[in-house]
Amino acid sequence: AQSVTQLGSHVSVSEGALVLLRCNYSSSVPPYLFWYVQYPNQGLQLLLKYTTGATLVKGINGFEAEFKKSETSFHLTKPSAHMSDAAEYFCAVSVGAGGTSYGKLTFGQGTILTVHP
Amino acid sequence: DAGVTQSPTHLIKTRGQHVTLRCSPISGHKSVSWYQQVLGQGPQFIFQYYEKEERGRGNFPDRFSARQFPNYSSELNVNALLLGDSALYLCASSSGRGYEQYFGPGTRLTVT
Repeated sequence: AQSVTQLGSHVSVSEGALVLLRCNYSSSVPPYLFWYVQYPNQGLQLLLKYTTGATLVKGINGFEAEFKKSETSFHLTKPSAHMSDAAEYFCAVSVGAGGTSYGKLTFGQGTILTVHP
Repeated sequence: DAGVTQSPTHLIKTRGQHVTLRCSPISGHKSVSWYQQVLGQGPQFIFQYYEKEERGRGNFPDRFSARQFPNYSSELNVNALLLGDSALYLCASSSGRGYEQYFGPGTRLTVT
């Protein structure tokens, strides 16, 4: 079974500061990892994904994440926060073909990002 | 291209009633998944359909059912509604079972 832990339900940064949102996962098989963003009263938008290959993945809006197998982590970063980044962010894990949960996304509890002027 | 669409946007029902939620996937996508998002929590997996067959089911009671039609659209049905069923119901589509999922705006269900 897969699980995701997001450390910190709320993160607050100043505009222009580094954004770091933490995600640790548990999976018995090689995982696929995703970050989604959710703005108030909206659905989820895919920011980036890791399936195989390069462990540093770049996404939309200047976000990137690094898959670290040894640390079972997939932290999301952005060098310089913008006011428009204020939203809730979800880390999710899935498994590839052959896994019993193939295609099912398991989400973390979410991290609300606040950006101060 | 249009994204995932869901209807209705909002819905208010009374305990014990039945509800049907609808989802149209992105054109060309053959897989549809349903998730329940209770306020303050991450989405929880309910069902996945691929090529009109159920391919996965989450830990939800039998009051929850779904189906996928030949055009790959999908319906989620919930019978005997409980207060605890109040949530945002999200539909996601993907081109295949293992590919990234794209979410619709959701249906906000309130059970009174």
